[in-house]
Amino acid sequence: QQQVKQSPQSLIVQKGGIPIINCAYENTAFDYFPWYQQFPGKGPALLIAIRPDVSEKKEGRFTISFNKSAKQFSLHIMDSQPGDSATYFCAASRNTGFQKLVFGTGTRLLVSP
Amino acid sequence: GAVVSQHPSWVICKSGTSVKIECRSLDFQATTMFWYRQFPKQSLMLMATSNEGSKATYEQGVEKDKFLINHASLTLSTLTVTSAHPEDSSFYICSARDRPTVSYEQYFGPGTRLTVT
Repeated sequence: QQQVKQSPQSLIVQKGGIPIINCAYENTAFDYFPWYQQFPGKGPALLIAIRPDVSEKKEGRFTISFNKSAKQFSLHIMDSQPGDSATYFCAASRNTGFQKLVFGTGTRLLVSP
Repeated sequence: GAVVSQHPSWVICKSGTSVKIECRSLDFQATTMFWYRQFPKQSLMLMATSNEGSKATYEQGVEKDKFLINHASLTLSTLTVTSAHPEDSSFYICSARDRPTVSYEQYFGPGTRLTVT
């Protein structure tokens, strides 16, 4: 019940495309859902996060869609660029983020020029 | 703001020796710090959570006597890998969280690559 399932494992899109990464969770106590971007050999960096009281959040080219009833959330990257090529992790936490993060398995995104 | 540093960025040590990794919050007071381990092409695995001035809470399956964590101040936490073996080779990442009244977000360090020969 503590797991966060992430798909796909890898994704290739052309420049300008809109990659979509999906995550699903079981624990209804989760109330904080961040997305992280990680480049090879670097630590993860927070991209955007959402709480279950909203269904969508946009920050720049990144959008989170949240479906509370389905217990799913997804990351959309608009107008993707080669520089977006990285590994993306979804995560979930209880108590508005004060509890430990449970990470998804990661998605390796490659944006071709 | 919200910068977390780690030192060293990479380290090579011989089997049987101990290695200490430092994690520092540079511009905020980190009441809570987390230590993760990441194998190639895998997700982050939480090893332990530490609160300043308290003993660390280790995740199930993590040997507390092997991975010693000290969170002695609001800006510094250390992870010591004792009697390191080749299977301890991994990418170790720390994260830090500010005081609960300020933010609940975790800020990650750049990671430390440990290679045990």
